[in-house]
Amino acid sequence: AQSVTQLDSHVSVSEGTPVLLRCNYSSSYSPSLFWYVQHPNKGLQLLLKYTSAATLVKGINGFEAEFKKSETSFHLTKPSAHMSDAAEYFCVVRSNDYKLSFGAGTTVTVRA
Amino acid sequence: EAQVTQNPRYLITVTGKKLTVTCSQNMNHEYMSWYRQDPGLGLRQIYYSMNVEVTDKGDVPEGYKVSRKEKRNFPLILESPSPNQTSLYFCASSFSQANYEQYFGPGTRLTVT
Repeated sequence: AQSVTQLDSHVSVSEGTPVLLRCNYSSSYSPSLFWYVQHPNKGLQLLLKYTSAATLVKGINGFEAEFKKSETSFHLTKPSAHMSDAAEYFCVVRSNDYKLSFGAGTTVTVRA
Repeated sequence: EAQVTQNPRYLITVTGKKLTVTCSQNMNHEYMSWYRQDPGLGLRQIYYSMNVEVTDKGDVPEGYKVSRKEKRNFPLILESPSPNQTSLYFCASSFSQANYEQYFGPGTRLTVT
């Protein structure tokens, strides 16, 4: 069985400051991991993915995530938040039989 | 433009009145699926389809039906909706089940009273 825990349901940052969204996973095998973003009234969009290659993964819009097997974590970061980063973010783990498990989501608010 | 479309985007209905939410993709994707999104629960898969005429249950299939008669369309059917099916529904597609990136529709917000 696999599962995903997003440690913060809501994160608030000031524009220009770093963003950290935390995700821990559990899986009995080497998983594939993803971050998706959902802007208000929109569908989900893939930000980045980890598929057993480099552990530091770069995505769109300046986001990156680091896979740490020893900590079973896949935290998402961005050095400098922009107003357009206000959205809900989902950490997702995929099993060997391609089943996706979504985290509960983290809502990001960016203050001017 | 490559996209997944859903209709309607918003729907308010009453208990027991059959409804269909349509989903269509123009990318010639083989794999399509339906999810429901509820606060604090993330997205949960309802049904998926590997190809035409091939469908299977996801994690929460009770109360839903699907069909895949054409590659581009994957409608979600609620034969007798109940209030616990009030949710935000997303259709998604990808080239195959193994493909990493799923393309999501804009969502359908359903309220059952």
